[in-house]
Amino acid sequence: GAGVSQSPSNKVTEKGKDVELRCDPISGHTALYWYRQRLGQGLEFLIYFQGNSAPDKSGLPSDRFSAERTGESVSTLTIQRTQQEDSAVYLCASSLKGAFNSPLHFGNGTRLTVT
Amino acid sequence: GENVEQHPSTLSVQEGDSAVIKCTYSDSASNYFPWYKQELGKRPQLIIDIRSNVGEKKDQRIAVTLNKTAKHFSLHITETQPEDSAVYFCAANYNQGGKLIFGQGTELSVKP
Repeated sequence: GAGVSQSPSNKVTEKGKDVELRCDPISGHTALYWYRQRLGQGLEFLIYFQGNSAPDKSGLPSDRFSAERTGESVSTLTIQRTQQEDSAVYLCASSLKGAFNSPLHFGNGTRLTVT
Repeated sequence: GENVEQHPSTLSVQEGDSAVIKCTYSDSASNYFPWYKQELGKRPQLIIDIRSNVGEKKDQRIAVTLNKTAKHFSLHITETQPEDSAVYFCAANYNQGGKLIFGQGTELSVKP
């Protein structure tokens, strides 16, 4: 079946604008993750959704960042008042039952450039 | 805090040599340690994982070892090949659940 789909693949925005990134997980996957990957750097945890439990938002870097997930389907990551340091690839991953029980399947990411 | 340290950041080996990448973690409750491989321009993919009830796991040319007392784990690749060239990420789960924290990555280059 289809893998994790992210859109847009590339986004260029002006500093101060809001952006919305979308993730379509693999059907039936209960867990969904957002990570940020700056150029040449590691995978920085942002937020984790597991079923209907409250999400773990401990990795969101500031109150400009927020994410939502409707049930066990699509998730959107919103960045308000973008700054140049927000430029990065934003990776979404889904897992059948969460990382401890099943592997993460990553999307191709959204490359965000803030000018 | 929740942290995974990974070393080295870059590693260059000759084809056929072995490569070792090491990681340490901070939460003694962590019990799941996967390794992901990210080839240039591609998404990360799981290559091997280990749980805290075992000390070593092997899959062909790759193996992982875990020392829970010292809170560190390692990836070993033997008989390296050019196609092993990639960035490798270790990770550990936190809060005894599915939250996965990654290390900073190791760029492995295998020279023919």
